[in-house]
Amino acid sequence: AIQLTQSPSSLSASVGDRVTITCRASQGISSALAWYQQKPGKAPKLLIYDASSLESGVPSRFSGSGSGTDFTLTISSLQPEDFATYYCQQFNNYPPVTFGGGTKVEIK
Amino acid sequence: QVQLVQSGSELKKPGASVKVSCKASGYTFTSYAMNWVRQAPGQGLEWMGWINTNTGNPTYAQGFTGRFVFSLDTSVSTAYLQISSLKAEDTAVYYCARDPGVGDYREYYFDYWGQGTLVTVSS
Repeated sequence: AIQLTQSPSSLSASVGDRVTITCRASQGISSALAWYQQKPGKAPKLLIYDASSLESGVPSRFSGSGSGTDFTLTISSLQPEDFATYYCQQFNNYPPVTFGGGTKVEIK
Repeated sequence: QVQLVQSGSELKKPGASVKVSCKASGYTFTSYAMNWVRQAPGQGLEWMGWINTNTGNPTYAQGFTGRFVFSLDTSVSTAYLQISSLKAEDTAVYYCARDPGVGDYREYYFDYWGQGTLVTVSS
């Protein structure tokens, strides 16, 4: 199965900061990558699919890029409601669908 | 609006069985596949597999064969996850999650999620 490695595993940032999270696949997955946001005690929420397509209703400060093995999720100006854990998920080499280990974004 | 509403938390003893429900509303249930995802306490997300809501055919991920069963009751737009012979390591939150692909087309990512059901296995 394809492994997804997210970095960093956690980060501290301030409101207004630009935040970048990376996700590296163990082999090429084209653009078959999604990003989710999960807040404590809540279900994950889809942010980005097909590596760079913004899900309807998601603020435009979120963006995704990359293809092949290296991907990034960028939050252009971190807002208080963005403090959460973020997961990438690949769906190119199916089955199985696999998730990255998560990146926790905390308040600095 | 699309909603997936799951059944409440369960506390079970080792060796028992549990059945988690996921009731869908706001869309045509049989047009979208349903997936199941596990999250152990403090851990990441693990895909368990999916069920074709039109045919009822399930697909299980490696590690989720044998004791795990996906089923449907399309008359009430509900998907079920049954786990038998429960073990302590089955303690987790279980989510249902919809694939946005319509009909026979699969996207393999998940646009709507249930709120999660905590299953605790303890003697």
